[in-house]
Amino acid sequence: AQTVTQSQPEMSVQEAETVTLSCTYDTSESNYYLFWYKQPPSRQMILVIRQEAYKQQNATENRFSVNFQKAAKSFSLKISDSQLGDTAMYFCAFMVRYNNNDMRFGAGTRLTVKP
Amino acid sequence: DTEVTQTPKHLVMGMTNKKSLKCEQHMGHRAMYWYKQKAKKPPELMFVYSYEKLSINESVPSRFSPECPNSSLLNLHLHALQPEDSALYLCASSPFSVAGESTDTQYFGPGTRLTVL
Repeated sequence: AQTVTQSQPEMSVQEAETVTLSCTYDTSESNYYLFWYKQPPSRQMILVIRQEAYKQQNATENRFSVNFQKAAKSFSLKISDSQLGDTAMYFCAFMVRYNNNDMRFGAGTRLTVKP
Repeated sequence: DTEVTQTPKHLVMGMTNKKSLKCEQHMGHRAMYWYKQKAKKPPELMFVYSYEKLSINESVPSRFSPECPNSSLLNLHLHALQPEDSALYLCASSPFSVAGESTDTQYFGPGTRLTVL
């Protein structure tokens, strides 16, 4: 069974600073996807960034980047130049390829960006 | 357009009521999902439809009955629910699914907040 662990229930950061959210996962599979989703108070789950396990290069999307360490089974999210609109719950998610679209989420990290 | 719509936004029902949640997408996605999310918890997968066929049922009680009438529409029929079923119900879709293939990113709707009295 696949598990996803987010060890930081809550974090805060000052506006314009950088913050890193941690995620580790456990799997015996070699072919999988990893995601970070954001859920603001409006409750809509929004994709932040996606990483395919076979790709060595870390994914980047504007101010959001990941540090994917496959051997360590670690997938952290770095948010640069934090903005007030980044305040949200962040979920790390894992999905094995060829597993019928079964995606599993971590417990989430609540991030607050302070002015 | 990466939009998944869900209706209603809020629903309050009694334990003897029958109601339905509706989800719609017009992105040509062929996999659709229902998730249940309790407060301050991650979403939990309930059902997956691939090409309008139920491919995953995560041991959900029979008082929840999914239906996929066509590739754009997904319903969740509710009957004889319990107060502990109160939660946010999220629908999602993803671009392409062949049996057994996890294909791509799931796009979520805004959810239906369900309260069972």
